[in-house]
Amino acid sequence: LAKTTQPISMDSYEGQEVNITCSHNNIATNDYITWYQQFPSQGPRFIIQGYKTKVTNEVASLFIPADRKSSTLSLPRVSLSDTAVYYCLGNTGNQFYFGTGTSLTVIP
Amino acid sequence: EAGVAQSPRYKIIEKRQSVAFWCNPISGHATLYWYQQILGQGPKLLIQFQNNGVVDDSQLPKDRFSAERLKGVDSTLKIQPAKLEDSAVYLCASSPDRSNTGELFFGEGSRLTVL
Repeated sequence: LAKTTQPISMDSYEGQEVNITCSHNNIATNDYITWYQQFPSQGPRFIIQGYKTKVTNEVASLFIPADRKSSTLSLPRVSLSDTAVYYCLGNTGNQFYFGTGTSLTVIP
Repeated sequence: EAGVAQSPRYKIIEKRQSVAFWCNPISGHATLYWYQQILGQGPKLLIQFQNNGVVDDSQLPKDRFSAERLKGVDSTLKIQPAKLEDSAVYLCASSPDRSNTGELFFGEGSRLTVL
């Protein structure tokens, strides 16, 4: 199974930029890198996806180095509502596996 | 566009009883997934359907769990008999994408408590 590794938890103050890095073990050539956000009592929600270099949307940026063995999710100017668990997804073919995620706590 | 619908939202049963969860994916989504999420852990893939065929059920405890997706639309996940360790949130997700990009749409989940 494709395995991902990310920090268990992070704290940040409101207004700061937060970077969460994920290591992608065994990533295959045609696999995308995908990040999800999960609030308590809700299902995970898709944030951003990329294949290589940098992707940006209205929520976050995703940086992927040339070897694609890691990725970094960047959340600009976090607010209290960004407190959640963030998962990077590993996949083998079209089976998608979640790791333990990074619990981000935003402090006032 | 309607999201992934799941029911019931909450279920409490005693061990050795049976329970069933229902999922209706987003219209037109060919792929449907069931995940189990135990408190404090990431979702664990139980089974994946492509239309009405099973793609992967390698992590489904087949002695007690079963799932079906008749007609390739909605799906039912059943547990019989339930054990204490089955207490978890059961998440259903669907995807329109056959090209393995990983964009999944999740329902709100069904929370199971086994006493």
